[in-house]
Amino acid sequence: DSGVTQTPKHLITATGQRVTLRCSPRSGDLSVYWYQQSLDQGLQFLIQYYNGEERAKGNILERFSAQQFPDLHSELNLSSLELGDSALYFCASSVFAGGGQGAGGYTFGSGTRLTVV
Amino acid sequence: QKEVEQDPGPLSVPEGAIVSLNCTYSNSAFQYFMWYRQYSRKGPELLMYTYSSGNKEDGRFTAQVDKSSKYISLFIRDSQPSDSATYLCAMKTGANNLFFGTGTRLTVIP
Repeated sequence: DSGVTQTPKHLITATGQRVTLRCSPRSGDLSVYWYQQSLDQGLQFLIQYYNGEERAKGNILERFSAQQFPDLHSELNLSSLELGDSALYFCASSVFAGGGQGAGGYTFGSGTRLTVV
Repeated sequence: QKEVEQDPGPLSVPEGAIVSLNCTYSNSAFQYFMWYRQYSRKGPELLMYTYSSGNKEDGRFTAQVDKSSKYISLFIRDSQPSDSATYLCAMKTGANNLFFGTGTRLTVIP
């Protein structure tokens, strides 16, 4: 157990629907990162929050949004879902905004597998 | 051009072989270089971390960074079936986010 908790583990939904993925960071970590992993694209950075504030944005679609709550858990909202949104969604956390320990301190959760049918 | 390029493999080797995994990158500002290991249906876990150029060894694993060539490598000695996983290189500048390679799937055959 990495200490980063993601729910649900699996999600199957229809096109056009909206889903919410949840992440609880490792205890003491202030930064949360969301990544999308598909077979042909690898791990793509979506968005980062640090202590409740958006810190950086990557290749996140306008249909997607996220937030980090005062208790530091984060939610990723995916709306108007398309077949191409089917992927593994990972959350990672770190102590500092830049990753901690100089660089490498990202801890990943086990992911949410989203299937859009 | 992607910022980080990694051969996706797959790579199959017999048990006990030396494995070489590589990545190239285009951003000369990258200073921190990492290798993550990802088992099937699991999240990536940090395996090796290197700052700037040079080598780092940890047991059977050696990470090498050649900033002049923008090339990083991970060597696995005496490979074991338990090493079968996808290996992702990752790198970043100071406070920015990690950029990942697409990962190389490795299978070590007993």
